[in-house]
Amino acid sequence: DQQVKQNSPSLSVQEGRISILNCDYTNSMFDYFLWYKKYPAEGPTFLISISSIKDKNEDGRFTVFLNKSAKHLSLHIVPSQPGDSAVYFCAALPNAGGTSYGKLTFGQGTILTVHP
Amino acid sequence: NAGVMQNPRHLVRRRGQEARLRCSPMKGHSHVYWYRQLPEEGLKFMVYLQKENIIDESGMPKERFSAEFPKEGPSILRIQQVVRGDSAAYFCASSPILAHSYNEQFFGPGTRLTVL
Repeated sequence: DQQVKQNSPSLSVQEGRISILNCDYTNSMFDYFLWYKKYPAEGPTFLISISSIKDKNEDGRFTVFLNKSAKHLSLHIVPSQPGDSAVYFCAALPNAGGTSYGKLTFGQGTILTVHP
Repeated sequence: NAGVMQNPRHLVRRRGQEARLRCSPMKGHSHVYWYRQLPEEGLKFMVYLQKENIIDESGMPKERFSAEFPKEGPSILRIQQVVRGDSAAYFCASSPILAHSYNEQFFGPGTRLTVL
């Protein structure tokens, strides 16, 4: 039962262009969404997040968009840089008060390659 | 301030042996989470612990796996009688308080378990 899905296993983008990574979820109990970046042989590092009360959050080159009705979120990176090449994971948290607080549910990841 | 530390980074075991994975949370963090990443998949939640308490073990296999976070010392994930299917990367994360929001879970570099 894959509650968070990243349907694109990989994405290749030219340096300077926009990278758009997509994520869908099925569990309507999720109310906080996060993007993590992961390099080989390292643990995930937090990138950006968004609460379900918002539809957009921006931090420098990174913007996350949330469409609650479609249960879809996306991460935009612009302009893309070769150092952005990594695996990107979408993750979700359930709303507060539930017994699963703190329990991140991850998507399968998308490998982003940014070509110089 | 050292980050989350995991050791060993790589562990090789033969089928039937025991594997013990250690996680030292960031200083001041009293909440620990273990996640497992199988090849070509995202990270999957296993267990959430506070000092001397297991809060949520809904992601732990029912047999052979156990976790603890004693009053003193690191958190330990123990896998008894390992099988080839246990080969994976095991990540630990820690947080200072109840980690419901954004980037409060900090991940370690992971332990890569290989079962021969």
